[in-house]
Amino acid sequence: NAGVTQTPKFRILKIGQSMTLQCTQDMNHNYMYWYRQDPGMGLKLIYYSVGAGITDKGEVPNGYNVSRSTTEDFPLRLELAAPSQTSVYFCASSYGQAKSQPQHFGDGTRLSIL
Amino acid sequence: AQSVAQPEDQVNVAEGNPLTVKCTYSVSGNPYLFWYVQYPNRGLQFLLKYITGDNLVKGSYGFEAEFNKSQTSFHLKKPSALVSDSALYFCAVRSMTTDSWGKFQFGAGTQVVVTP
Repeated sequence: NAGVTQTPKFRILKIGQSMTLQCTQDMNHNYMYWYRQDPGMGLKLIYYSVGAGITDKGEVPNGYNVSRSTTEDFPLRLELAAPSQTSVYFCASSYGQAKSQPQHFGDGTRLSIL
Repeated sequence: AQSVAQPEDQVNVAEGNPLTVKCTYSVSGNPYLFWYVQYPNRGLQFLLKYITGDNLVKGSYGFEAEFNKSQTSFHLKKPSALVSDSALYFCAVRSMTTDSWGKFQFGAGTQVVVTP
């Protein structure tokens, strides 16, 4: 059981470039989330999805976009990379109908914008 | 609005001594409470949760946590720390009743350093 898989693990971008961070889960979870983690700041929610075709903004959505065409996949798109987007990005999933269920996290994508 | 506070950026403890990582929360209605651990270059891993019932919750790797409703706290504990427990620990809360889609609110994290 792979759980939540994120690719790539590391990436360096130039300012203004675009890229997609991939996230897939094999647990049939309906809820999926994207967070960014900056040192000493905990996790900030970027976007979330409660099911295929349904997405919504979190706390820090500016500069990002998402889509959810299938239950398994929840890619995060950076259109015009900026230095402020240098961070570690985590994808997570949970069984949304039961609020007592914890989130399952991928191992993250470490992104540097230079 | 939900919030979680982890008042200590870092906790230092000698191996074999008791370990406590503090967490206080604010949420409308009754809370679901979670502890996660993060090792270097890894994602967060679930340790334990409080749903209802017994205020002392036991989880993975010998960790336990005590829920105190009057103090709105959910402190993580381990009776005898190991060097391998050195990691970043996050507390999280989710409202049972409000916020229908179930947002998780995370604390800023506490770095635990266990010295031999």
